[in-house]
Amino acid sequence: EVQLVESGGGLVQPGGSLRLSCTTSGFTFSRCGLNWVRQAPGKGLEWISYISSGSDTIYHADSVKGRITISRDNAKNSLYLQMNSLRVEDTAVYYCARDNGAGTPIDYWGQGTLVTVSS
Amino acid sequence: SYVLTQPPSVSGAPGKTARITCEGNRIGGKSVAWYQQKTGQAPVLVIYYDSDRPSGIPERFSGSNSGNTATLTISRVEVGDEADYYCQVWDRNSDHWVFGGGTKLTVL
Repeated sequence: EVQLVESGGGLVQPGGSLRLSCTTSGFTFSRCGLNWVRQAPGKGLEWISYISSGSDTIYHADSVKGRITISRDNAKNSLYLQMNSLRVEDTAVYYCARDNGAGTPIDYWGQGTLVTVSS
Repeated sequence: SYVLTQPPSVSGAPGKTARITCEGNRIGGKSVAWYQQKTGQAPVLVIYYDSDRPSGIPERFSGSNSGNTATLTISRVEVGDEADYYCQVWDRNSDHWVFGGGTKLTVL
């Protein structure tokens, strides 16, 4: 069974930093592309970042470019998202999601972790 | 940047057909995916590559894509289909995933 489990969310002050993790199982992690998608409370889905299976291709949404770093550890079957200079508008549930290469359908999602940016 | 436009809400009677549209400039030239998201849950892929269904998704869910409009069709609508539905495409110009704003399906 494919599983993706996010962790690391919580309450952080504006300007602060947070590192999210996504641990996975049930599939060959090193062959899949991975994404972070977020959803602000009561709002729609917003894709924010993609990393290829070998970490050689990375894309970011303009809304977060320069403030986030996506990375992965294929030995640990884990995906990470380092977020800096957090803003109130970054408050959202953050999902990790799997695909099979850039532009291929995102076929599995984790349950998400809530990040709240507030003073 | 590429924009996908969905109606905020669609309603359907049980047993009838509901259609949710997704408009984008020449979207017919792109591959469209659709996701179902029930309240408090993660999204679930229901259609990919315009009209393919993942295993486990009922045949009642179908998709089409042509011109400037992609459509998700849900036949014989059930109360359990109530959810938000999102369309998605890969924008090659920006190397970004793009989601539509989502459509809330209400089963009357």
